Amino acid sequence: RKEVEQDPGPFNVPEGATVAFNCTYSNSASQSFFWYRQDCRKEPKLLMSVYSSGNEDGRFTAQLNRASQYISLLIRDSKLSDSATYLCAVNSIPGANNLFFGTGTRLTVIP
Amino acid sequence: EPEVTQTPSHQVTQMGQEVILRCVPISNHLYFYWYRQILGQKVEFLVSFYNNEISEKSEIFDDQFSVERPDGSNFTLKIRSTKLEDSAMYFCASTRDGSNEKLFFGSGTQLSVL
Repeated sequence: RKEVEQDPGPFNVPEGATVAFNCTYSNSASQSFFWYRQDCRKEPKLLMSVYSSGNEDGRFTAQLNRASQYISLLIRDSKLSDSATYLCAVNSIPGANNLFFGTGTRLTVIP
Repeated sequence: EPEVTQTPSHQVTQMGQEVILRCVPISNHLYFYWYRQILGQKVEFLVSFYNNEISEKSEIFDDQFSVERPDGSNFTLKIRSTKLEDSAMYFCASTRDGSNEKLFFGSGTQLSVL
């Protein structure tokens, strides 16, 4: 059983496009949800947390759907610099500190 | 901005040898973690450490692995007898209050076991 599943992509989109990624999680008791960005051979960097009410940070919007157990990330007006792998991460054990990561979705923004 | 520092950036070793990966967490952080990422695969949790003891560990973290905070600044991961399948990027991370929201990763140590 996979704790967290993502479409690996790749997603190839033109500059200025809107792109959305989904991620499903298996443990309904999960409490914390995150999107990380990982550049090639680099460490994951926190992009944004995902709250029940949804949250937005500039061109990025994250949503949580507890009923269907998925989280989403929407990127508007894609930039070349958005090219990276986007990882979703879920804290599946209430009170625990470890994260389960998805395999990541590769995004390439094309000029 | 404060950083988690990891050394070395690359480590090559022979199968069966012991390796120690080193990390200097952010100075006022209290919770420390090791994750690993095999090439092309997902980031996987290994172990978390708080108050000088392991607080959680995954199935990957077997008897070949150990962690230590030998002084007030370093946090180390030791692999006693390396296997080929231990080849991966190892990331250290730390948080101030145990909240995953502020999990800071180091730049990683690429371990290659030959």
